Amino acid sequence: GEDVEQSLFLSVREGDSSVINCTYTDSSSTYLYWYKQEPGAGLQLLTYIFSNMDMKQDQRLTVLLNKKDKHLSLRIADTQTGDSAIYFCAEANQAGTALIFGKGTTLSVSS
Amino acid sequence: SAVISQKPSRDICQRGTSLTIQCQVDSQVTMMFWYRQQPGQSLTLIATANQGSEATYESGFVIDKFPISRPNLTFSTLTVSNMSPEDSSIYLCSVEGGGNNYGYTFGSGTRLTVV
Repeated sequence: GEDVEQSLFLSVREGDSSVINCTYTDSSSTYLYWYKQEPGAGLQLLTYIFSNMDMKQDQRLTVLLNKKDKHLSLRIADTQTGDSAIYFCAEANQAGTALIFGKGTTLSVSS
Repeated sequence: SAVISQKPSRDICQRGTSLTIQCQVDSQVTMMFWYRQQPGQSLTLIATANQGSEATYESGFVIDKFPISRPNLTFSTLTVSNMSPEDSSIYLCSVEGGGNNYGYTFGSGTRLTVV
């Protein structure tokens, strides 16, 4: 079945780049997503990428997609303490109607 | 993208009771989704709610435990019935973004603690 895997923790220093990795199983996914969840808050859509793209850049965020390896990454440049949160990778389910989430990567940024 | 108002934001409930969570969307949407996020875990889809038909439940979730209403295209409720401490979770509703935004928008979540 569909599955999304992420590393659970990442710790970086303020000003460094953060790279959060994700692998997925459903090669038919049209869109892949990155969501951010701050403590006690709901989910915020950070960015998404079409499956026919290799890269998408949006200000400090860069998404790389390797369809052959079913690997997705999120790079955050110049990481700030406000970026500390849980980051979820997600793909649409086979019906294309809802999302399958990874377990989330907790990003900790130290000053 | 759509804006979702979800309430209550949190509640502490006694075991054996039921809680109804409401989601109001600022635009008409065909499908609304209900997710559960258990402590320290990812989100799991509970069910998909279409207006005018019964909700479609995912494996492991049943209508008797999680009845859903979808009376119109902007509103849905999820009830957590006969609660036990294992139901302590964050419950979130979601809709597809639509338009130029292909992402899914989420409500702010209901943090439920069952004691």
